[in-house]
Amino acid sequence: AQSVAQPEDQVNVAEGNPLTVKCTYSVSGNPYLFWYVQYPNRGLQFLLKYITGDNLVKGSYGFEAEFNKSQTSFHLKKPSALVSDSALYFCAVRDMREGNKLVFGAGTILRVKS
Amino acid sequence: DTGVSQDPRHKITKRGQNVTFRCDPISEHNRLYWYRQTLGQGPEFLTYFQNEAQLEKSRLLSDRFSAERPKGSFSTLEIQRTEQGDSAMYLCASSLGSGSSYEQYFGPGTRLTVT
Repeated sequence: AQSVAQPEDQVNVAEGNPLTVKCTYSVSGNPYLFWYVQYPNRGLQFLLKYITGDNLVKGSYGFEAEFNKSQTSFHLKKPSALVSDSALYFCAVRDMREGNKLVFGAGTILRVKS
Repeated sequence: DTGVSQDPRHKITKRGQNVTFRCDPISEHNRLYWYRQTLGQGPEFLTYFQNEAQLEKSRLLSDRFSAERPKGSFSTLEIQRTEQGDSAMYLCASSLGSGSSYEQYFGPGTRLTVT
C-alpha cells in the first residue's frame, strides 16, 4: 500500500529566505505526486503535481518541487518565502496500481516570519 | 465561482442521529471523491465515483456510511446512527476523468460535531 511521510510537523523560515518542505513516499507502482495547501477554515488548494517528465515541476504562487526517484522524495521549495505563504501543506501520492485515491501525509505547518 | 461546493459547512448533531451532506462538483468533472480529515491528520479517502457509479470504497467506510451520486452530478454522504468518533471534517473533491493524472479539486468541507 502507498504511504506518504512528511517528517517535519512545522517549518519556520524568515521572509525572503528559501523554504523547503519535505516529503517522502512509498508506492509499489509508478507514483503521481501532488502538493496541496490549506489555509484556516478553507479547503485544500492544489499547488502542483508530478506525473512524468522533468523532475523539477513548477506550480502556483512561485512554488516548485523536485521529484527524486532514487530517494523517493518530492520536496516542495520556494526561492523566497512570503509571510502569506504561512499555511498547512500536504503532500499526496497516487499509486497507479492502487486505484484513484490520493494518500496524504500528515501535513507540515509552514510559518514565515517577517 | 464554479468550484466544488459543500453543504452544510457545519453540522452539530447528537449521537445516534442521522446526517446527510451534499457535494456539488465542478460541472465538467465526472469523478467525485469523499475524504475525511481529523485534527492533525491529512485527509483519508472514503469513496470514489465515476459518473454515477461508485467504483471504490475504503475500509474506513463502515456500513453506517452510504454515498450516492444518482445522476452523475451532485453527491450525498449519509451517516446513520452517528458516533462521537465520526466528528471530523468531510471533504469532497472532483476531477476530470479522461486521464488518470488529473488533480483533484477540493471543496471547503463540512465540519461534523457529534455531541
